[in-house]
Amino acid sequence: KNQVEQSPQSLIILEGKNCTLQCNYTVSPFSNLRWYKQDTGRGPVSLTIMTFSENTKSNGRYTATLDADTKQSSLHITASQLSDSASYICVVSWKGFSGGYNKLIFGAGTRLAVHP
Amino acid sequence: ETGVTQTPRHLVMGMTNKKSLKCEQHLGHNAMYWYKQSAKKPLELMFVYNFKEQTENNSVPSRFSPECPNSSHLFLHLHTLQPEDSALYLCASSQDRASGSGETQYFGPGTRLLVL
Repeated sequence: KNQVEQSPQSLIILEGKNCTLQCNYTVSPFSNLRWYKQDTGRGPVSLTIMTFSENTKSNGRYTATLDADTKQSSLHITASQLSDSASYICVVSWKGFSGGYNKLIFGAGTRLAVHP
Repeated sequence: ETGVTQTPRHLVMGMTNKKSLKCEQHLGHNAMYWYKQSAKKPLELMFVYNFKEQTENNSVPSRFSPECPNSSHLFLHLHTLQPEDSALYLCASSQDRASGSGETQYFGPGTRLLVL
């Protein structure tokens, strides 16, 4: 079964500290993996996208890694800021959908709280 | 802003009411989506429209009725809802629903629905 599991479910860190969020998936065949950030009261916004051949992608203080062999991805946040408080959602694109297009499989998200 | 707007942002309705959610995208996209987001659960895809045609209905109860009059507008008509339908309803759009690895969905801010 195609699944995306994220850990931890929630995380509290102090401002200025680093943190790493995990995403494990069983989706196959796999097209790409995205990390989305969802602020409270807003819709998700794409942070990074990685294809099968990419193993790292950065967007400012956000760095995503991908190990397609072990089917694991991580999102590392450096020097956290209060504005990083949000839910982070891992989304894997599944190529095997019979509808003729890729189907997105969503994780449940990690809720990050950055405290001063 | 992502270029996708949703109204209303908040809605409280009784189980016998009829209401509609509206989504509008200003990105020139051809595919639009309705998602349901419940606490601590992955986003659930409800409906997909591509070039105004419904291409996916993920076993959504008939008390939810979508309408897509053109590529820029999407509605979700609600009637005789249940309390368990209370959730955040997100609209998204993308260039189109074709296969490929580059498809990024742009989300609206959502409508927070409470069914009493």
